[in-house]
Amino acid sequence: AQKITQTQPGMFVQEKEAVTLDCTYDTSDPSYGLFWYKQPSSGEMIFLIYQGSYDQQNATEGRYSLNFQKARKSANLVISASQLGDSAMYFCAMREGFSNTGNQFYFGTGTSLTVIP
Amino acid sequence: GAVVSQHPSWVICKSGTSVKIECRSLDFQATTMFWYRQFPKQSLMLMATSNEGSKATYEQGVEKDKFLINHASLTLSTLTVTSAHPEDSSFYICSANRAPEAFFGQGTRLTVV
Repeated sequence: AQKITQTQPGMFVQEKEAVTLDCTYDTSDPSYGLFWYKQPSSGEMIFLIYQGSYDQQNATEGRYSLNFQKARKSANLVISASQLGDSAMYFCAMREGFSNTGNQFYFGTGTSLTVIP
Repeated sequence: GAVVSQHPSWVICKSGTSVKIECRSLDFQATTMFWYRQFPKQSLMLMATSNEGSKATYEQGVEKDKFLINHASLTLSTLTVTSAHPEDSSFYICSANRAPEAFFGQGTRLTVV
């Protein structure tokens, strides 16, 4: 089974509107972290937001928030007030376990977001 | 935040030659680093896990003899694409974890002609 599933290959949003990018995950490990990364056309991977499996509140970072629904195993990214610079690929990722830096990250297939002026 | 530096950013080489890509953790020690390959508009595909002082662990289907990984110090891992062919053309990116986050290099765009 896929560890991370992103079902939206492409999304469009009007500038200044909010957009939700979907992500579901699969793990039996009670300790895990969920991440969102942005990859512009330059290729660099930009960290956006992190949610730990034991965190009670949804993570927020500026215009980014993570809608964490543990029972449904979903970790959707919400971008508010979209900007043209938000156009990029967005990857949801998961790492099982917290303290072992040798644990690999599992990535979804990505969502290509296009912000329309 | 932590920084991982990858060099070169892009390289063009002739078919049959070898190319070395370096991945350095600049402000933290990384006993483990990861090497990914990414095709256009696709996700990152884990190629191998690089372990300082020991052999790398390769994912199924990745040729060990073609993609040589050396992790000689706590801050440097190298990926050498040996006898490169046009089908090896791709975007290669490394990462290192500093809990809880993964820090990525800038990536290397390899073109084999």
